[in-house]
Amino acid sequence: DAGITQSPRHKVTETGTPVTLRCHQTENHRYMYWYRQDPGHGLRLIHYSYGVKDTDKGEVSDGYSVSRSKTEDFLLTLESATSSQTSVYFCAIGRDGQNQPQHFGDGTRLSIL
Amino acid sequence: AQKVTQAQTEISVVEKEDVTLDCVYETRDTTYYLFWYKQPPSGELVFLIRRNSFDEQNEISGRYSWNFQKSTSSFNFTITASQVVDSAVYFCALSEASTGGFKTIFGAGTRLFVKA
Repeated sequence: DAGITQSPRHKVTETGTPVTLRCHQTENHRYMYWYRQDPGHGLRLIHYSYGVKDTDKGEVSDGYSVSRSKTEDFLLTLESATSSQTSVYFCAIGRDGQNQPQHFGDGTRLSIL
Repeated sequence: AQKVTQAQTEISVVEKEDVTLDCVYETRDTTYYLFWYKQPPSGELVFLIRRNSFDEQNEISGRYSWNFQKSTSSFNFTITASQVVDSAVYFCALSEASTGGFKTIFGAGTRLFVKA
């Protein structure tokens, strides 16, 4: 299994509070991704990173920010959580090369009340 | 714009039946990559296969086979002699060379129930 750890695995919080999810990899892969999974939508890309301090937006980036200060860590922050951000969040990593598959963490279930 | 459509939301079969999961994609790129992932009830996402747009050869891996047809923009997945352990959500995905392969688009998924 790819060495990807997401923390926390579960979190319940209130609307308006800040939330940070962490993704840690031990594979030294260059590319890291954050997705959210919602019923009927599959996985949708929030943000991705192609190197330390190099990040870009995905298709559903509003309300989210990311940071990558080290190769192994990719943080996803919800500055002021809203109920619409209740979801399962997956981190993924990928090797160099366009045809490389992504390997996923186990997911974080986030509930915003 | 890229798009992946998995029209079958849920499929239910009895063990040992063959089942085909459909995937239709849209892209303007001539170079692109297609993937299938499996998400069992435990929730993790597992990579199954990738195909690039220049390789239309079908592939077989045990009970799994994939049929890639550029003429119909389809990349269908067949499970032969299905087993209960095949019960999962299956996602088809597409990434385009023009986006550097970063922006992978996933279909909504097909939930497969295999009954004993």
